Amino acid sequence: GESVGLHLPTLSVQEGDNSIINCAYSNSASDYFIWYKQESGKGPQFIIDIRSNMDKRQGQRVTVLLNKTVKHLSLQIAATQPGDSAVYFCAERRTGANNLFFGTGTRLTVIP
Amino acid sequence: KAGVTQTPRYLIKTRGQQVTLSCSPISGHRSVSWYQQTPGQGLQFLFEYFSETQRNKGNFPGRFSGRQFSNSRSEMNVSTLELGDSALYLCASSPAGTAYNEQFFGPGTRLTVL
Repeated sequence: GESVGLHLPTLSVQEGDNSIINCAYSNSASDYFIWYKQESGKGPQFIIDIRSNMDKRQGQRVTVLLNKTVKHLSLQIAATQPGDSAVYFCAERRTGANNLFFGTGTRLTVIP
Repeated sequence: KAGVTQTPRYLIKTRGQQVTLSCSPISGHRSVSWYQQTPGQGLQFLFEYFSETQRNKGNFPGRFSGRQFSNSRSEMNVSTLELGDSALYLCASSPAGTAYNEQFFGPGTRLTVL
C-alpha cells in the first residue's frame, strides 16, 4: 500500500556532527515533501519543504534532498546541536489534497 | 502573535462516553486541521475545516466529527469512546489559501480512555 515511512526509528549523533534522517515514500502523486520537528510536549513544527520537481533545497543549517528515482527523501542537519533533539517526521502533500500524510518519525538524540 | 491553543490539555474518559476538544487557531488563519497521534500509527489526518465548511476528511469512523465557527475556532467531537481512541489530538492552522505545507500545530490534547 501507499506509505510514507522512515528507515530508522532512532538516531544518535554527537554534538557538532552532521545528521542525516531518511525517509522513503511510495506515492508518486505528491506535490510537496515536508519535514517537521516535534519536541517533547509540543506539536510538530515546520522545518522545510521541497517541491516534487526539485532535487535539493537548503535552509538554515538544514538541507533536504529528494531522489525521485528511488523515492527517497532525506533531511541533513549541519552542526547538530542539543536543541535539535526531537522526533522528525517527513510528510507529503498529495496532488489535490490540502492535508498532509505523515510518516512515523525518527527520534534524533544529540549527545553533548 | 499567539500560537494555536487547545483545550483541555489532558482528558480522561471512560469507554462509551463522548468528548469535545477545542482549538483556537492563530489569528487570521482560516484553515484548521485535526490529527490523531498514536505511537503505533503516527500522525493521522482526521479532517480539515475552512470557512466553517469541512473541506477534507480522513479515514476515520463517523464517531469522529468536527465543526468550525465563524471566528475560525474549531471543535472536534468523539462519541462512544473506545480504548483505541486514546491518543494525542493535534490541531493545526494555516493561513487562508496558501502555505498548506506549513501548518502551525498546537500542543495537543492528550485523551486517555479507560
